[in-house]
Amino acid sequence: NAGVTQTPKFQVLKTGQSMTLQCAQDMNHNSMYWYRQDPGMGLRLIYYSASEGTTDKGEVPNGYNVSRLNKREFSLRLESAAPSQTSVYFCAGSGEGPTYEQYFGPGTRLTVT
Amino acid sequence: GEDVEQSLFLSVREGDSSVINCTYTDSSSTYLYWYKQEPGAGLQLLTYIFSNMDMKQDQRLTVLLNKKDKHLSLRIADTQTGDSAIYFCAESLSGYSTLTFGKGTMLLVSP
Repeated sequence: NAGVTQTPKFQVLKTGQSMTLQCAQDMNHNSMYWYRQDPGMGLRLIYYSASEGTTDKGEVPNGYNVSRLNKREFSLRLESAAPSQTSVYFCAGSGEGPTYEQYFGPGTRLTVT
Repeated sequence: GEDVEQSLFLSVREGDSSVINCTYTDSSSTYLYWYKQEPGAGLQLLTYIFSNMDMKQDQRLTVLLNKKDKHLSLRIADTQTGDSAIYFCAESLSGYSTLTFGKGTMLLVSP
């Protein structure tokens, strides 16, 4: 089992460019999440999907869109990248409750110049 | 609203015990979690505790929960240099699949 995988590992964008971060899991998780991690800010939830076909906003959704393509895949899209979106992005998945422990991917380090 | 707070930094010597502390504000927390993040990696789940438990032990790790004070701690016995990492506590609320994370405690273990 690969667990939670993310592509790409690193990306540099120019301001205004668009890109999609990919996430896939083979752990049969119902719920999937996208976070960003910035120094001194901890982890902040961008969007999540509690089940296939549903998505909800988290704490910092502005400037992002998501797609839950199927149970395995949850993508994050930046339509017009801004320097403020320079960050490390993590995808995670979790199974049924009540514990909801989340399992994380290795992250994508994004720099917007 | 919910909030999870941790001290930012802890430095210990190899072989000592480390205690990382966390406080949370929401009394409806159901599960509390500890994650470890090594440099350049994702978060790794270490352990979790149900809110009606006081203690959980797993090899070198001991989790203590004081519900009255809303205080959670992670004790690492015989700390090794490989334990150097950022440790995050997190809480989940009843009926919700999302977690709220603290900002993380950087543990530095010196030889």
